[in-house]
Amino acid sequence: DAGVTQSPTHLIKTRGQHVTLRCSPISGHKSVSWYQQVLGQGPQFIFQYYEKEERGRGNFPDRFSARQFPNYSSELNVNALLLGDSALYLCASSRDRYEQYFGPGTRLTVT
Amino acid sequence: DAKTTQPNSMESNEEEPVHLPCNHSTISGTDYIHWYRQLPSQGPEYVIHGLTSNVNNRMASLAIAEDRKSSTLILHRATLRDAAVYYCILRDEGGNTDKLIFGTGTRLQVFP
Repeated sequence: DAGVTQSPTHLIKTRGQHVTLRCSPISGHKSVSWYQQVLGQGPQFIFQYYEKEERGRGNFPDRFSARQFPNYSSELNVNALLLGDSALYLCASSRDRYEQYFGPGTRLTVT
Repeated sequence: DAKTTQPNSMESNEEEPVHLPCNHSTISGTDYIHWYRQLPSQGPEYVIHGLTSNVNNRMASLAIAEDRKSSTLILHRATLRDAAVYYCILRDEGGNTDKLIFGTGTRLQVFP
């Protein structure tokens, strides 16, 4: 079975631009979560979606938004990019209340 | 969110057992103890989880103290591929989200 896939792998953006990151969960998984991992730190929870509904939101500004589609894939959008948004963005999928499976991440660099 | 405390780093030799400790003195009754690890340049990977009883799977064992205020992840025979950052996480199974609250974890080095 294919694991969690994320696109793109790497991305370079300029301050003030917006970015869309994409995630395809493992087949049969209805839950998708997004995490931000800054270099040298553990991942920080951004959002969880289950059956297209937002189930949880971490302590991130409104510039961050996400959605989940009927096929359970998901997008993370970040507006008005700041230098501090440079990080590895991880997507994880799971069946409800089970262990999470992480993708390889999207490395975002903001210049 | 309940917090965990782990040593920043640990070292082991190949084929030796490794005991990774975690303190979680503020654990609540609905918190499960989860362990994930992150290999270099990869996303985190689930290792094991438990509530009260010790747990075993093909990757590791989890020993949970009787008062649940601490736990230990046991790798029975470390290999070079086990070199990673290991995260001990408390997840509230009574809440509405599956969010994982990661700390800084323990960086495990394995020497040949």
